[in-house]
Amino acid sequence: DAGVTQSPTHLIKTRGQHVTLRCSPISGHKSVSWYQQVLGQGPQFIFQYYEKEERGRGNFPDRFSARQFPNYSSELNVNALLLGDSALYLCASKEWQGETQYFGPGTRLLVL
Amino acid sequence: SQKIEQNSEALNIQEGKTATLTCNYTNYSPAYLQWYRQDPGRGPVFLLLIRENEKEKRKERLKVTFDTTLKQSLFHITASQPADSATYLCARAVSGGYNKLIFGAGTRLAVHP
Repeated sequence: DAGVTQSPTHLIKTRGQHVTLRCSPISGHKSVSWYQQVLGQGPQFIFQYYEKEERGRGNFPDRFSARQFPNYSSELNVNALLLGDSALYLCASKEWQGETQYFGPGTRLLVL
Repeated sequence: SQKIEQNSEALNIQEGKTATLTCNYTNYSPAYLQWYRQDPGRGPVFLLLIRENEKEKRKERLKVTFDTTLKQSLFHITASQPADSATYLCARAVSGGYNKLIFGAGTRLAVHP
């Protein structure tokens, strides 16, 4: 079975630009979460979506937004990029009542 | 604040020895803790989950303990191998309509031949 997939794997942007990251969950998983991981730190929660609705939001500015599609895939959008947005962006999926989250390989974003 | 703390210093051990990593939490009592392995540039991979009413859980060479008195979980890798070299993350779940994970910063383990 395919795991969580994310695209692109790497991305380079300049300050002020916009970026869209994509995630496909494990088949049958309806919950998708996004995390930001800065070098040397643990992943930090950004959003959780379930059945196309936002179910949780972390302490991130409004420049960060996300959505979930009918096939349960998800997009993370970041506007007006800052240098500090450079990080590994991780997507995780799980069964709604499940305790274990399954992470994708991540998208490495570099903002210059 | 409700934090998860892991030893930020790297742990260097000799192949064949037991690696022990520590996860401490403060100001709350998590229902369960999870341990993940993360290789450089990759996503975390789930290893083990231990509930507050479980003292110990094992999976092959891995063992996790949960001491609610000390507010601490220990993660052990027995007969360690160079392939075990990675960063190990401890996480607790925050529920309430959704389930987000709060991670520690992780401990980097290096197993030397």
